[in-house]
Amino acid sequence: RKEVEQDPGPFNVPEGATVAFNCTYSNSASQSFFWYRQDCRKEPKLLMSVYSSGNEDGRFTAQLNRASQYISLLIRDSKLSDSATYLCVVNPKAGNNRKLIWGLGTSLAVNP
Amino acid sequence: DTGVSQDPRHKITKRGQNVTFRCDPISEHNRLYWYRQTLGQGPEFLTYFQNEAQLEKSRLLSDRFSAERPKGSFSTLEIQRTEQGDSAMYLCASSSRPTLQSTDTQYFGPGTRLTVL
Repeated sequence: RKEVEQDPGPFNVPEGATVAFNCTYSNSASQSFFWYRQDCRKEPKLLMSVYSSGNEDGRFTAQLNRASQYISLLIRDSKLSDSATYLCVVNPKAGNNRKLIWGLGTSLAVNP
Repeated sequence: DTGVSQDPRHKITKRGQNVTFRCDPISEHNRLYWYRQTLGQGPEFLTYFQNEAQLEKSRLLSDRFSAERPKGSFSTLEIQRTEQGDSAMYLCASSSRPTLQSTDTQYFGPGTRLTVL
């Protein structure tokens, strides 16, 4: 089993749709979690950290389910500009970000 | 712009040549990371510095790869005797020491895209 697994997609959705991505992780002791966004041929950019209580930033909601070892990202009212690859990132150790474990990403295409 | 910067943005070289990339982290960040990313893959960790000390190297980092951060500020990544398999995006990231109020979030530079012919 891979350490971090994501559905690669692509997810093709119309503008205004709600779309959700899941990511599973294998190490139950993992400490912190992130979603990064990466546009084609660009660097990854932090979208959200994921907190145990769940967190929301505008149209984006991230949730963590430790019991089932997955995190999710929900995008509401999707925009054309949301088209990108969304990378799930897991930090297996507290205070140690040397070995972030990256998923392969989920590709999202928002269509007009 | 006070983000992470990398130079050059693109590098085309012939197999067997040496190349060197530079990364300037966010100024107050003491941690610096190098990653490699190929198409369709997530970033792969290469090495990590805390200040000027190189604390960890991935097994991906063969003897042809060397990284330095001599003054704890900018870093260089050198690849000797490049091979076609070295073609990738080389990403640099920096972060500050985590506190109770903040996690150790990594911020990435724009990357150096290396093409080995």
